[in-house]
Amino acid sequence: DAKTTQPTSMDCAEGRAANLPCNHSTISGNEYVYWYRQIHSQGPQYIIHGLKNNETNEMASLIITEDRKSSTLILPHATLRDTAVYYCIVRPHGNQFYFGTGTSLTVIP
Amino acid sequence: GAGVSQSPSNKVTEKGKDVELRCDPISGHTALYWYRQSLGQGLEFLIYFQGNSAPDKSGLPSDRFSAERTGGSVSTLTIQRTQQEDSAVYLCASSLGLGQKQNIQYFGAGTRLSVL
Repeated sequence: DAKTTQPTSMDCAEGRAANLPCNHSTISGNEYVYWYRQIHSQGPQYIIHGLKNNETNEMASLIITEDRKSSTLILPHATLRDTAVYYCIVRPHGNQFYFGTGTSLTVIP
Repeated sequence: GAGVSQSPSNKVTEKGKDVELRCDPISGHTALYWYRQSLGQGLEFLIYFQGNSAPDKSGLPSDRFSAERTGGSVSTLTIQRTQQEDSAVYLCASSLGLGQKQNIQYFGAGTRLSVL
């Protein structure tokens, strides 16, 4: 029951901003958008979440469109350690999180 | 404070044997989740516990899988009569609660299960 669509993979040059898109056209009014990432052989790590306003923390920024049908996760200065799979999640029915296959981001030196 | 702890980190077993995987959530977290991740795949939800409520078992793939959470803290995922297709990384996560703002899940490092 996927509610989000993400590109399978992306590359980004080290030091540049990485912009990871996510489509969630069926999002309902009270559902938040969450972003997690999973570095190889580790458990997923929470990055950021938001409802309708743009959000920023020490890891990233989250830009949500006004109609809330899509969002972009921004890593402002990507490093090699940011190479990971990034998951965009809209909490579906109940309290299950559907992680899908995410976007595999490779930061290139 | 300590994060989510899972043990063992690796488990190799023979087909047909039973295995138990353990998860120690973050202290004070009322919600606990189990997921399974096969090689190269996304996370597959298995089960979650919230306080004293009946667990949501809707993701368990078969009746060989079961889980319990004792005293609202530690959880054990049991797989009976393991099959080769059970080989995967089993991930546990916990969160403060169920509200949107409280539902940030913190994950353990997982248990890598290999069924020979």
